[in-house]
Formats: sequence, structure tokens, C-alpha cells
Amino acid sequence: QQQVKQSPQSLIVQKGGISIINCAYENTAFDYFPWYQQFPGKGPALLIAIRPDVSEKKEGRFTISFNKSAKQFSLHIMDSQPGDSATYFCAASGAFGNEKLTFGTGTRLTIIP
Amino acid sequence: KAGVTQTPRYLIKTRGQQVTLSCSPISGHRSVSWYQQTPGQGLQFLFEYFSETQRNKGNFPGRFSGRQFSNSRSEMNVSTLELGDSALYLCASSLARQGTMNTEAFFGQGTRLTVV
Repeated sequence: QQQVKQSPQSLIVQKGGISIINCAYENTAFDYFPWYQQFPGKGPALLIAIRPDVSEKKEGRFTISFNKSAKQFSLHIMDSQPGDSATYFCAASGAFGNEKLTFGTGTRLTIIP
Repeated sequence: KAGVTQTPRYLIKTRGQQVTLSCSPISGHRSVSWYQQTPGQGLQFLFEYFSETQRNKGNFPGRFSGRQFSNSRSEMNVSTLELGDSALYLCASSLARQGTMNTEAFFGQGTRLTVV
């Protein structure tokens, strides 16, 4: 019940296109859903996060869509750029006092010119 | 504001040895968590410390332990190293204050441990 399922495993998108990564969870106690971006040799960097009382959150070219009833959330990267090529992880955690992050398996995104 | 600092960045150890990794959280952050990242298992939670107390623990053997000091700095220890312990060990810190986006966790660059 702690699992977070992420798809696709890898994604190739043309420059300027929209990159979409999906995640699904089962534990209804999760109440915080961040996305992390990781470049080779670096630690994961917090990209954007959402709580389940909001259905969408946008920060620049990055948007999280959240469907509480389906227990799914997704990351959309608009106008994808070669610099966005990285591995993306979705994650979920519980409320205060139970903040351990459960991560998805990651999506390797490649943006081609 | 300085980010999360992990030392050392790289380590090579022999099977059976023990190792200690260090993490300095962002100033003012009270929670420090440790994660293991491997190609096969992905990112897995080890444990979390808050105010010098272990608050959450993942499914790792007792060879993995940690502690947090009064200044929130944390150390992680692995005893009797096995080849399978080779991984990137990541530390994350968060504010951990109820009522805010308290769970925003910021990661360090990690310590790459190789066991030979």
C-alpha cells in the first residue's frame, strides 16, 4: 500500500513539445506529492509539489495535475527544452510526523532537437 | 542560504568494514532523512531524525544506523559492509513544522559508496 507507480520508464520528446509523466498511488494517507528532477551525479532537486486539496498547480513550464478520486497525478512539462533532459521522480508522503518520501521508479526524459 | 551538505562525496570500502557518512542540513531545518539510491531498487527510505530522535524507519537491516546531533547535523553508519551496499546515499532536510508545506525536502548531492 506504500507503493507509488510511475510511467513511462523512459520518454523521448522533441524540443518544444509537451512531456507527460504519470504516477499512481494507493495509500490514501498520502497528503503531499512532490516531483523531483535529477541530473547525473547530482541529488534530486525539488521541482514542484501539490497537496490533494488542489487539482492543478503550475510553476513556469511545469504543471502538476492531481486526480484525488483516481489516486493519480502527473507532471506536464510544456515547451520542453534539451536542458530538461534528466530523470524525474514522483513521490508521496504523509502528514506531519510521517514525512518519509515514497518514490516512484523514475522516468528518464530525453529532449531531442 | 547554503544547501544540504554531504561528506564525503565518494568512498571506497572493503567488505566487512564499517563506514560513517555525514550530513549538514539547511540552516533551521529540523528533520533529516536518509535514502539509498541504486539502479535496481531506486530511491529507498532508510530513516528520519527529528530533534535528535529517530521518528521513522525504513526496511533496512540493523547494520544501518544513524543519529542526529543537537545542531541537527546527522550521521549515518553502516557496519559489516556488503557488496550490495554499494549505492548513492542521499540526505534530505526539511523544516518539519506543522501547518506549513512542512514536508518540502531538499536533498544533498549524496555520498557515492563503493564496496569492493
